[in-house]
Amino acid sequence: AQSVTQLGSHVSVSEGALVLLRCNYSSSVPPYLFWYVQYPNQGLQLLLKYTTGATLVKGINGFEAEFKKSETSFHLTKPSAHMSDAAEYFCAVSDGNAGNMLTFGGGTRLMVKP
Amino acid sequence: GAGVSQSPSNKVTEKGKDVELRCDPISGHTALYWYRQSLGQGLEFLIYFQGNSAPDKSGLPSDRFSAERTGGSVSTLTIQRTQQEDSAVYLCASSPPDRGYTEAFFGQGTRLTVV
Repeated sequence: AQSVTQLGSHVSVSEGALVLLRCNYSSSVPPYLFWYVQYPNQGLQLLLKYTTGATLVKGINGFEAEFKKSETSFHLTKPSAHMSDAAEYFCAVSDGNAGNMLTFGGGTRLMVKP
Repeated sequence: GAGVSQSPSNKVTEKGKDVELRCDPISGHTALYWYRQSLGQGLEFLIYFQGNSAPDKSGLPSDRFSAERTGGSVSTLTIQRTQQEDSAVYLCASSPPDRGYTEAFFGQGTRLTVV
């Protein structure tokens, strides 16, 4: 079984400040890891993913995440927050088998203050 | 260049009635998923279709829930005898075979309210 824990259901940062959204996972097999973003009344959009290879993954909108196996973590970062980054962010894990069904964390709502 | 299309976008139904939710995936995407997003349970996997294979129904919460996918394209999620706890946003996603189905594209969802 797999699970995902996102620490902090709400995170508030000032515009221009570092964004750090935490994600820890549990998986009995090498995981595939994902971050999705959801804007109000929208579906989910893939920000970035880790499957194999380089553990530092760069995604859209200046976000990146690092897979740390020893810490079972996949935290999402962005050096400088923009107002447009305000949204809900979901970390997800799959076992990479046929189907790639996702197990999601509870989500973190990011608020950006001017 | 259309994305995943879901209809209706909003549905209000009376408790005990049946509802059908529709998903039109991106052309060429052989994998199709249904997820449910609710306040109490977060985002949950419901069912997965892959080509002509038997669907993976392991996430369906009860036998009141069923889904089908006709011709490998459009999918319909049916909820029979709706209950208030079925109120949620139902999200459909599709995924192409390249890159091992690791990129799911989501629709905007159907918000179901059971009154």
